[in-house]
Amino acid sequence: SYVLTQPPSVSVAPGKTARITCGGNNIGSKSVHWYQQKPGQAPVLVIYYDSDRPSGIPERFSGSNSGNTATLTISRVEAGDEADYYCQVWDSSSDPYVFGTGTKVTVL
Amino acid sequence: QVQLQESGPGLVKPSQTLSLTCTVSGGSISSGSYYWSWIRQPAGKGLEWIGRIYTSGSTNYNPSLKSRVTISVDTSKNQFSLKLSSVTAADTAVYYCAREPTYGSGRPTYYFDYWGQGTLVTVSS
Repeated sequence: SYVLTQPPSVSVAPGKTARITCGGNNIGSKSVHWYQQKPGQAPVLVIYYDSDRPSGIPERFSGSNSGNTATLTISRVEAGDEADYYCQVWDSSSDPYVFGTGTKVTVL
Repeated sequence: QVQLQESGPGLVKPSQTLSLTCTVSGGSISSGSYYWSWIRQPAGKGLEWIGRIYTSGSTNYNPSLKSRVTISVDTSKNQFSLKLSSVTAADTAVYYCAREPTYGSGRPTYYFDYWGQGTLVTVSS
């Protein structure tokens, strides 16, 4: 089955940039979506199709995808960005909807 | 603004069947523009897709759960439902319902744009 690997945690100071990676075999050939999940809440879509932002998501959130790594970048990090972040792809050869292992972003 | 709300028993005994319903408001489940999915998350763990249904009743399931899962839709009530049979403690999780647009930018989307708040189901005797 297709596996998406994320770092368990990322720490960042307020105002700085956080980069969350999502590794998968030739992930650059797939569309990657990203979700933000705050404690006790449902996930919220923050990036779709690698780099598109849904309405209402700040421009500080951006995404890229190439080779074996997709990246979610959060610029000018704020305390309210502290959450778990999950990448997700669709893979026809396995469990169709594959989620990454999740990354906890801590704002110092 | 579309809203999804899960409902159902919070406690299920081992070997029994877990049953949940997702009620959709602010939009019609029959619009034909969306798939409707169930996703679960054990405490402190990641997300697992369970299955989805289209307004026509067509379903797709996670191969690892397929033998135990049934998803159905009731368009008259704007609801869709999940049944998971022969549950064990490993099925204890927060269960979410979610919406997936069928197409975006001329291609399948395969992402979830709206989620319910989630409901905790515990499997225990």
